[in-house]
Amino acid sequence: ILNVEQSPQSLHVQEGDSTNFTCSFPSSNFYALHWYRWETAKSPEALFVMTLNGDEKKKGRISATLNTKEGYSYLYIKGSQPEDSATYLCAHAGAGNNRKLIWGLGTSLAVNP
Amino acid sequence: DGGITQSPKYLFRKEGQNVTLSCEQNLNHDAMYWYRQDPGQGLRLIYYSQIVNDFQKGDIAEGYSVSREKKESFPLTVTSAQKNPTAFYLCASSARTSLRADTQYFGPGTRLTVL
Repeated sequence: ILNVEQSPQSLHVQEGDSTNFTCSFPSSNFYALHWYRWETAKSPEALFVMTLNGDEKKKGRISATLNTKEGYSYLYIKGSQPEDSATYLCAHAGAGNNRKLIWGLGTSLAVNP
Repeated sequence: DGGITQSPKYLFRKEGQNVTLSCEQNLNHDAMYWYRQDPGQGLRLIYYSQIVNDFQKGDIAEGYSVSREKKESFPLTVTSAQKNPTAFYLCASSARTSLRADTQYFGPGTRLTVL
């Protein structure tokens, strides 16, 4: 994988459902993986920055895991609420001289009340 | 409140005109960034600055210029040389200058439309 890919592109769930989505990235020369939440008409907001293989981070009902050897990260939302509706972006940074983040297209989550 | 402000929210420009997008932060962050978002593409880095009076080109710098005369300000000028300027522009900042691992804080964005 040369780019950052996120799946699914969009997701509709009912309030109370738990859900998860995936960010895939190049597994070689890993440096960091970021997750952001972007609500409509607001600014993107940082959720997690992950740097170590096997890392697990949690913020309220949202958690993320990281597998740098196989090049993927999962974002989980437990008991989805309407206020979780947003686009979830991931961004990958490699360990080479290119120090910039490469961003995925995002997963758009809609939680129906 | 600490944060990043961008102005204006919407901007219309006639073809051939230069236009400057404002970005101000009061977070005392060293690094600042400009991104562009287009449909079907991830955020792409235009320029970034890690320190006052210094900035670096990102992946799509052609047709853009920036300045960093003050720590809190990082304006972006979209010049007439930018072939497809219509897009959504996001400004961000981070406390340290490790572009790869530092959390970025974003402004609300400016939507630029070229008529």
